Amino acid sequence: AQSVTQLGSHVSVSEGALVLLRCNYSSSVPPYLFWYVQYPNQGLQLLLKYTTGATLVKGINGFEAEFKKSETSFHLTKPSAHMSDAAEYFCAVSDRGSQGNLIFGKGTKLSVKP
Amino acid sequence: GEEVAQTPKHLVRGEGQKAKLYCAPIKGHSYVFWYQQVLKNEFKFLISFQNENVFDETGMPKERFSAKCLPNSPCSLEIQATKLEDSAVYFCASSQFPGTYGYTFGSGTRLTVV
Repeated sequence: AQSVTQLGSHVSVSEGALVLLRCNYSSSVPPYLFWYVQYPNQGLQLLLKYTTGATLVKGINGFEAEFKKSETSFHLTKPSAHMSDAAEYFCAVSDRGSQGNLIFGKGTKLSVKP
Repeated sequence: GEEVAQTPKHLVRGEGQKAKLYCAPIKGHSYVFWYQQVLKNEFKFLISFQNENVFDETGMPKERFSAKCLPNSPCSLEIQATKLEDSAVYFCASSQFPGTYGYTFGSGTRLTVV
């Protein structure tokens, strides 16, 4: 069965600092990997996804993630945090390939200090 | 439209009452997914559809939960005889090709059972 582990339920950074949110997955088949962001009382917005091809994936709002098969990781980074980045971030892996449901991690709450 | 429309936004039911939630997927998206987000932010997959056919229902508590996606109608998720533990935000997502394009989520329906 596939699973996702997000290390750190809460990450706090200063404005302008590097953002690093960690995600490790387990999958017996090549995974499709996703990062979503959820602002308070809102739905999920897709930040970026990895399906095939280039392992460094660029997303919206300056975020990017790198798929590392050897480390079974898909960490999310942003060089310089902005106050508006404060939200909950969810890593997810797709079950059963291209039509399967998403398996979510438990989320990481990102706080950005002025 | 280009958004997944979920109605109602909020729903309050007394324990034992029925609750019915609706989801209009993006036009052209043949896959619909339902997720339950409980207080600790954990997402639980409930059921998915490919057009009007159930694709995966492994997450559905079948005793009280049912769902449909009928042609030319919004999809629906119905809970018979709600319980306190059904209180959650229910998200619907749709996709044309889940693995390739990812999922577009609605803004959710917050169900409160009192």
